[in-house]
Amino acid sequence: QPQLQESGPGLVKPSETLSLTCTVSSASITSSGYFWGWIRQPPGKGLEWIGSIYHTGTTYYNSALKTRVSMSVDTSKNHFSLRLRSVTARETAVYYCASSRTSGRFGDFDYWGQGMLVSVFS
Amino acid sequence: QTVVTQEPSLTVSPGGTVTLTCASSSGAVSSGHYPNWFQQRPGLAPRALIYGTNRKHPWTPARFSGSLVGGKAALTLSGAQPEDEADYYCLLYSETEVVFGGGTKLTVL
Repeated sequence: QPQLQESGPGLVKPSETLSLTCTVSSASITSSGYFWGWIRQPPGKGLEWIGSIYHTGTTYYNSALKTRVSMSVDTSKNHFSLRLRSVTARETAVYYCASSRTSGRFGDFDYWGQGMLVSVFS
Repeated sequence: QTVVTQEPSLTVSPGGTVTLTCASSSGAVSSGHYPNWFQQRPGLAPRALIYGTNRKHPWTPARFSGSLVGGKAALTLSGAQPEDEADYYCLLYSETEVVFGGGTKLTVL
């Protein structure tokens, strides 16, 4: 089963761009039927889906974020990335990456990374 | 955007049965919403329990089951164990998006 690990800056300033990478091991990011996604969770609050991507570049984004978010896949490094522009302090959260493999649907997240806290403040 | 609603909190006795529900602001939940359920214990990442309304992952304990009840998605826990105390989140598909519910805090007491 895939193992996922988030990495990137743990601190981002307001109005700047949050950039995170999820490195996948024990599975190929180009495996047929795998979708890769990002989910976040503000401290003490619930989960929010950010978006999902297939290795061909097909993306699905949360409509509330789609003007500021972009996701990409780097098949040579077996990782996928998230960029979220113009962040605010309310976007301080634990950011999770996850895979969706079992069903072939982009939101059936079966394997999750451990999560990474990203704080937005100046 | 669709709003997905869950009970904020529920309590179940050890060995007891409890049903958590998941409603959609867009109307009745159907199999076409492909309901998912996740368990999150404090300080840990979520763990997938159910996908496609009632399908279990290999690691899903047999005491958990998914269904559709009264226009909602439902997660039933039969024979609650102390380790089942956690937050539970549902997820529904809505066109080209997925939406998480607000979560249910389940106490086993």
